[in-house]
Amino acid sequence: AQSVTQLGSHVSVSEGALVLLRCNYSSSVPPYLFWYVQYPNQGLQLLLKYTSAATLVKGINGFEAEFKKSETSFHLTKPSAHMSDAAEYFCAVRPPYNNDMRFGAGTRLTVKP
Amino acid sequence: ETGVTQSPTHLIKTRGQQVTLRCSSQSGHNTVSWYQQALGQGPQFIFQYYREEENGRGNFPPRFSGLQFPNYSSELNVNALELDDSALYLCASSLGSGSSGNTIYFGEGSWLTVV
Repeated sequence: AQSVTQLGSHVSVSEGALVLLRCNYSSSVPPYLFWYVQYPNQGLQLLLKYTSAATLVKGINGFEAEFKKSETSFHLTKPSAHMSDAAEYFCAVRPPYNNDMRFGAGTRLTVKP
Repeated sequence: ETGVTQSPTHLIKTRGQQVTLRCSSQSGHNTVSWYQQALGQGPQFIFQYYREEENGRGNFPPRFSGLQFPNYSSELNVNALELDDSALYLCASSLGSGSSGNTIYFGEGSWLTVV
């Protein structure tokens, strides 16, 4: 079975500061890992995904994440926060053989001017 | 814009009623998954349809059922609605059942309120 834990339901940063959103996973098989962003009253938009290729994954809007098997982590980072980054972020894991995606509870990112 | 469209966008139902939610997958995608997202929580996997057959199901009771049509569009049906069924229902489409690392694209969702 797969699961993810997102550490911190709320993260607040200043505009221009580093963004770090934490995600740890549990999986009985080599996982596929994802980060999605959700803006208010909208669906989920894929930021980036890890599917067993390069461990450092670059996504849209300047975000990136690093798969660390030894730490079972897939933390999301962005060097410099922008006001438009304020949203809910979800980490997700699924096995490589179906689309049974398991999501974390989400982290709400607030960006202060 | 993901190319996944859902209808209706909002609806209100009474406890005990039945509801049908619809989803048109992105062109060329043969797999549709449905998720329930309660307020303040992450989405939860309900089930997946691949080439018109259910091929994966989460921890949801049988009153949650679905269909996939030959054009790969899909319906989610919920019978005997309960207050706790109030949530955003998300449809997602992809090419293939999951073995290729394919990207899953989500629609905007259908907001269901049960009163």
